[in-house]
Amino acid sequence: GDSVTQMEGPVTLSEEAFLTINCTYTATGYPSLFWYVQYPGEGLQLLLKATKADDKGSNKGFEATYRKETTSFHLEKGSVQVSDSAVYFCALRDTGGFKTIFGAGTRLFVKA
Amino acid sequence: EAQVTQNPRYLITVTGKKLTVTCSQNMNHEYMSWYRQDPGLGLRQIYYSMNVEVTDKGDVPEGYKVSRKEKRNFPLILESPSPNQTSLYFCASSDRGPYEQYFGPGTRLTVT
Repeated sequence: GDSVTQMEGPVTLSEEAFLTINCTYTATGYPSLFWYVQYPGEGLQLLLKATKADDKGSNKGFEATYRKETTSFHLEKGSVQVSDSAVYFCALRDTGGFKTIFGAGTRLFVKA
Repeated sequence: EAQVTQNPRYLITVTGKKLTVTCSQNMNHEYMSWYRQDPGLGLRQIYYSMNVEVTDKGDVPEGYKVSRKEKRNFPLILESPSPNQTSLYFCASSDRGPYEQYFGPGTRLTVT
């Protein structure tokens, strides 16, 4: 079945450091890929998405590119802020939009 | 304001006592889904619904029931809760297809 694997956390960075959170997937068909962010005590909210191969999603300085050849969707940000501290989830939604598979989540701590 | 609401936000109950967690959305979305979030496992899909009266199992449906009698509501029913259903539950909705989902604030359930 479909699956999503993302790097384990927690990840601890200093403010203005470069961030990469790795995400790889296995899926049949042509899934859509998403990064969601969860702040303490809140539900998930969309960070960015890509619906087909080579698409780049971007938002708030975060970027991720849908790489079909490496089945990856790594999240990057050039300069993190304390306010970026949260849990980040990589997810895929199957071709028909029926099921969504989430990775285990990566907790990010950013120190001032 | 576009939103997904869940009630209750917190619930402590005992084994075997039937309970219902409500979910409502005001965005006229056809698709709704329930997830549970457990440490180290990310979010796992319990049930989803593509439209009124159309529901299907996700990856962890055992011990849960759902119904979709109205487009805006998608309650989650635990007819005989057990301690292994202690978790954080999220409801989500979206348009059908490769689109982002909108999440409720979560319901923290403890079964003793």
